Amino acid sequence: DGGITQSPKYLFRKEGQNVTLSCEQNLNHDAMYWYRQDPGQGLRLIYYSQIVNDFQKGDIAEGYSVSREKKESFPLTVTSAQKNPTAFYLCASSISTSTAYEQYFGPGTRLTVT
Amino acid sequence: QQQVKQSPQSLIVQKGGIPIINCAYENTAFDYFPWYQQFPGKGPALLIAIRPDVSEKKEGRFTISFNKSAKQFSLHIMDSQPGDSATYFCAASKKTGANNLFFGTGTRLTVIP
Repeated sequence: DGGITQSPKYLFRKEGQNVTLSCEQNLNHDAMYWYRQDPGQGLRLIYYSQIVNDFQKGDIAEGYSVSREKKESFPLTVTSAQKNPTAFYLCASSISTSTAYEQYFGPGTRLTVT
Repeated sequence: QQQVKQSPQSLIVQKGGIPIINCAYENTAFDYFPWYQQFPGKGPALLIAIRPDVSEKKEGRFTISFNKSAKQFSLHIMDSQPGDSATYFCAASKKTGANNLFFGTGTRLTVIP
């Protein structure tokens, strides 16, 4: 059963703490993406990765970091430098960045920072 | 700068009605226009997509209309059902050489029984 898994579904943290969101895919896709979703703002791209050990900043990368040590995994760290981290975070993948037009999304992680 | 503009922000229709969601874009390099459907607490799922070489595409009760000269496209849901209640996002991309998918801001659709 191929797909993208994100864990946990809900995450609560205190302000000032770093937190890492997990994203795993078994679709054998080369490209992976992280989006942030806020009410009324659609999906905004945080980071994307075309291949293992490579990643690029998206539109709102400040306060976030990523790694891509394995093809299947693309974890996102929300650092204490992110001024407004409470949001719904979505991970996606595509066969490659040349097929970025056809992305498959995970179920999302809702992060609440207080 | 919003690459894809979507309206309305929210929409309420009676069961059986035909909700219409509109999107507009400026970048003439875009050549692929997908629509995503998202249920609360879930990730978006690809619903239907169109290329600019056709003016309309139907899949079941969902139809995309495309107006290349106006740089606009819209989603129509025929015989809408309460189960269609979700947030719908339009998007745009270049089918070749692209590394990004540009999303509209979303339309929250409620279908009343």
